[in-house]
Amino acid sequence: AQKITQTQPGMFVQEKEAVTLDCTYDTSDPSYGLFWYKQPSSGEMIFLIYQGSYDQQNATEGRYSLNFQKARKSANLVISASQLGDSAMYFCAISRGGTSYGKLTFGQGTILTVHP
Amino acid sequence: DSGVTQTPKHLITATGQRVTLRCSPRSGDLSVYWYQQSLDQGLQFLIHYYNGEERAKGNILERFSAQQFPDLHSELNLSSLELGDSALYFCASSPPDFPGTQYFGPGTRLLVL
Repeated sequence: AQKITQTQPGMFVQEKEAVTLDCTYDTSDPSYGLFWYKQPSSGEMIFLIYQGSYDQQNATEGRYSLNFQKARKSANLVISASQLGDSAMYFCAISRGGTSYGKLTFGQGTILTVHP
Repeated sequence: DSGVTQTPKHLITATGQRVTLRCSPRSGDLSVYWYQQSLDQGLQFLIHYYNGEERAKGNILERFSAQQFPDLHSELNLSSLELGDSALYFCASSPPDFPGTQYFGPGTRLLVL
């Protein structure tokens, strides 16, 4: 079974500063994918970034980067230059990799609040 | 906008009733996933369909069923509804060339009274 743990129920950051949201995972699969999604107050789930377990480089997408430490089984999301619109719930998720892609297992989420 | 559409956006019904939630995946996506998001359970995987065939089942109740039609849209049927079924139901689809990433629809918010 796969498991995601997000230990920060809530985080606060000042506008224009960087923030790191923590995510640790547990899986026995040799191949897996790690994902971050953003859920604003409106409710939709927005895909942010993906990291494959065999990827050598940390994933980046604009202001989002994923700090992947395989040995520690962590996949922290770094948001640089925070904006007011970044205030939302953030979910880390894991799925099996390779040709077995399937369900996403989500963590409990972290609520990020960006202060002006 | 992810390209995944879900109808209706909101649904209010009574206990014991049956409802159908509809999902249209992104153009070209063959996989459809259903998830339930509730305050106590968080985001839970329900079921996965690929090109009309059921691929995997998660924590889906026997009162719930789903199918994917030849045009690839999917329906989630919830019957004998209980108060605890009140939740946000998401549909997601993934592209065949990158099956790992799932794009979510806006969700259907179900309230059972």
